[in-house]
Amino acid sequence: GAVVSQHPSWVICKSGTSVKIECRSLDFQATTMFWYRQFPKQSLMLMATSNEGSKATYEQGVEKDKFLINHASLTLSTLTVTSAHPEDSSFYICSADIPGDRGFNQPQHFGDGTRLSIL
Amino acid sequence: GIQVEQSPPDLILQEGANSTLRCNFSDSVNNLQWFHQNPWGQLINLFYIPSGTKQNGRLSATTVATERYSLLYISSSQTTDSGVYFCAVYVSGTYKYIFGTGTRLKVLA
Repeated sequence: GAVVSQHPSWVICKSGTSVKIECRSLDFQATTMFWYRQFPKQSLMLMATSNEGSKATYEQGVEKDKFLINHASLTLSTLTVTSAHPEDSSFYICSADIPGDRGFNQPQHFGDGTRLSIL
Repeated sequence: GIQVEQSPPDLILQEGANSTLRCNFSDSVNNLQWFHQNPWGQLINLFYIPSGTKQNGRLSATTVATERYSLLYISSSQTTDSGVYFCAVYVSGTYKYIFGTGTRLKVLA
């Protein structure tokens, strides 16, 4: 089945550091990937839609200069949290679907998530 | 934008009991999935169910897209069913995949 790999699983770093999270589709090509953020005891909030070869589409309220998304190939999207601060601490998770028509055949496949802690 | 509301928000059951979780959405969707999020944050796909009814062991799900809701049934609940259940929908005409508010289930031994 379709596998999405996300790295790292967890990261702890000092305030002001930039952190890069990778999301890879291992056995399929993904033209579109989604990035989510989840705070404790809350739902997953869509941050942005990452499109291969073009700029990401960010949801309202998400700072594009803060959360840099690059989707340089059909199997890799990266999320970089720039100059991270404690309020950026959260659980980040990505997903992808197998390209096709946008009808009833697009289940999402999720990475295992990245737990980010900024000290 | 679309609203995806789940009910109840919290549910406590005795082991062996049955339960129904509901997902209401405010706009047309192209597909719907149910997930169980484990304590480590992993999303376990339960059902991909844009319409109709599916069953997998003690779990079953029904989506009535025309009435904009989906139901997840858990029968003979076990303590291992505890966790958070999410529905998520692919919004028609957009490239957005939106999660519901979640139901936090606790099954007591």
